[in-house]
Amino acid sequence: DAGVIQSPRHEVTEMGQEVTLRCKPISGHDYLFWYRQTMMRGLELLIYFNNNVPIDDSGMPEDRFSAKMPNASFSTLKIQPSEPRDSAVYFCASSLGGLGGTGELFFGEGSRLTVL
Amino acid sequence: SQQGEEDPQALSIQEGENATMNCSYKTSINNLQWYRQNSGRGLVHLILIRSNEREKHSGRLRVTLDTSKKSSSLLITASRAADTASYFCAPSGSRLTFGEGTQLTVNP
Repeated sequence: DAGVIQSPRHEVTEMGQEVTLRCKPISGHDYLFWYRQTMMRGLELLIYFNNNVPIDDSGMPEDRFSAKMPNASFSTLKIQPSEPRDSAVYFCASSLGGLGGTGELFFGEGSRLTVL
Repeated sequence: SQQGEEDPQALSIQEGENATMNCSYKTSINNLQWYRQNSGRGLVHLILIRSNEREKHSGRLRVTLDTSKKSSSLLITASRAADTASYFCAPSGSRLTFGEGTQLTVNP
């Protein structure tokens, strides 16, 4: 398996533009997570899905952020409109099994977003 | 949600020395995981220890868990320059969140 695949790896955009980050989890995994990492705030959990259903989106910073998982092999994180403070590395991770159990997280290589 | 708190924040050692990192958490857990993050890369799972285990080994890694103290430690023996990375602990819970990590630097 190729692992968790994220795209794009790097994105530079201007304030106000829409940004869409994409993730393909490992086949067969039933959990998908979106994290954001910055120097100031560290690694933050934004939202996670179980069997394509959003379970907890309490980490999503505001309404400008939205995430979808239309099927088991694809998820998107959208920021509209983007702001400079959204600049960060966004990670997608997937796992088999729940967080309270033994679900090891497999992370993608991240999408580095810069909003000018 | 609960997250682990790693200590120290930064650790610098010479190649060949052992490195010990600690993790504390607040509520009861089913298991605790340790992850490594190389600069600019995603986190990589290192080891998982269950709540009924006290110690676990994997290669040069040794993890201990003390549920009475709500703490865990990660020992890397005979460190190498390639071990330079940030290390995070993740106690199991409803939301798998991470602390700030321990930044380990192994000097050649």
